[in-house]
Amino acid sequence: QKEVEQNSGPLSVPEGAIASLNCTYSDRGSQSFFWYRQYSGKSPELIMSIYSNGDKEDGRFTAQLNKASQYVSLLIRDSQPSDSATYLCAANTNAGKSTFGDGTTLTVKP
Amino acid sequence: DADVTQTPRNRITKTGKRIMLECSQTKGHDRMYWYRQDPGLGLRLIYYSFDVKDINKGEISDGYSVSRQAQAKFSLSLESAIPNQTALYFCATSDSRDRVRDEQYFGPGTRLTVT
Repeated sequence: QKEVEQNSGPLSVPEGAIASLNCTYSDRGSQSFFWYRQYSGKSPELIMSIYSNGDKEDGRFTAQLNKASQYVSLLIRDSQPSDSATYLCAANTNAGKSTFGDGTTLTVKP
Repeated sequence: DADVTQTPRNRITKTGKRIMLECSQTKGHDRMYWYRQDPGLGLRLIYYSFDVKDINKGEISDGYSVSRQAQAKFSLSLESAIPNQTALYFCATSDSRDRVRDEQYFGPGTRLTVT
């Protein structure tokens, strides 16, 4: 079992819809969780981080964390074609390094 | 100027050659990382360094070595390149003063092809 698992996708949503990306992790010692966006051929870019149970909102993005269920999600409201990318989930256990999932590819269709 | 730079950006080399990929950062971060990414896969950690004197193997260190020449510079070497090391390589940095968070900042990547 991978330490961080994501739905492989691809995920396709129409423009203006809500995109929901999911991630589970196996190490209960994980303390910090991150979502990175990666456009094709480009480097990952941090878009959200979350440390406490509940929701964290930043513009059109909402990260959700449930440590009891070992589950992290990212919601993108009012999806735009420019949101089309691969989204990487990562978990950090205080050991100082993050473990990444394989990513979910999102396509937003105009 | 970019905070994390990598050189070269693209490299084609032959099997058996030694090659070095370089990473420099101006973010003042003490932690640096090397990852490889294969098509359709996530990031796999090769080596990481928490300061100049602290270097650690990641999950796929075989066939690779690293050097942390200064806080701002971290180099990755392939001692004898083989075709299955063809991949996209990323350097990243983070700040230990933000120790729980480990928000990482990535360089633009080096596309390496071994023929």
